[in-house]
Amino acid sequence: SQQGEEDPQALSIQEGENATMNCSYKTSINNLQWYRQNSGRGLVHLILIRSNEREKHSGRLRVTLDTSKKSSSLLITASRAADTASYFCATEPYSGSRLTFGEGTQLTVNP
Amino acid sequence: EPEVTQTPSHQVTQMGQEVILRCVPISNHLYFYWYRQILGQKVEFLVSFYNNEISEKSEIFDDQFSVERPDGSNFTLKIRSTKLEDSAMYFCASSLGPAGYNSPLHFGNGTRLTVT
Repeated sequence: SQQGEEDPQALSIQEGENATMNCSYKTSINNLQWYRQNSGRGLVHLILIRSNEREKHSGRLRVTLDTSKKSSSLLITASRAADTASYFCATEPYSGSRLTFGEGTQLTVNP
Repeated sequence: EPEVTQTPSHQVTQMGQEVILRCVPISNHLYFYWYRQILGQKVEFLVSFYNNEISEKSEIFDDQFSVERPDGSNFTLKIRSTKLEDSAMYFCASSLGPAGYNSPLHFGNGTRLTVT
């Protein structure tokens, strides 16, 4: 397994439903971030949760972090067709400057 | 809102040729990065750059790769002799503070490099 693995790999839901994506990682982290990528575009930062935080909200996004289980979840409430994209978690170590990205979850929200 | 810009959006080159990918990071950012994404795969770290020197590089970033900040605004990635396996989307990113200090990255839209 690699640092930052998301599941499911693909998720298809109807508009208005909630979407939950999970991320697991292996090593200690300083923070965990979620990014969104529309097809053929760059990554857009969504939310950052520090290792001493358990839950964070931003608009329709809710992120949880369980450092004992080395896992995080991203919940998008009341999804919209425009939420269709790939979502990646990325972990940031205590030292060093690299972000390690997961494989991503492809979310499709059907109108 | 300020953004990271990358040029060109698509670059086609022949194997063995040199390519330079260009990026203009957000103006007040101090930390710069290159990542790449091979089609259908995860985003991989290549290199980070601060204070005119490389802070960290991955095992992908071998002697064929180099980065430069030639002036106050541009940040370039050079591949000296391209290989077929260098075909990927290359993303430039910048951040205000150092990674590891809760500073999110801002990414450009990428340059799609195709090596034939």
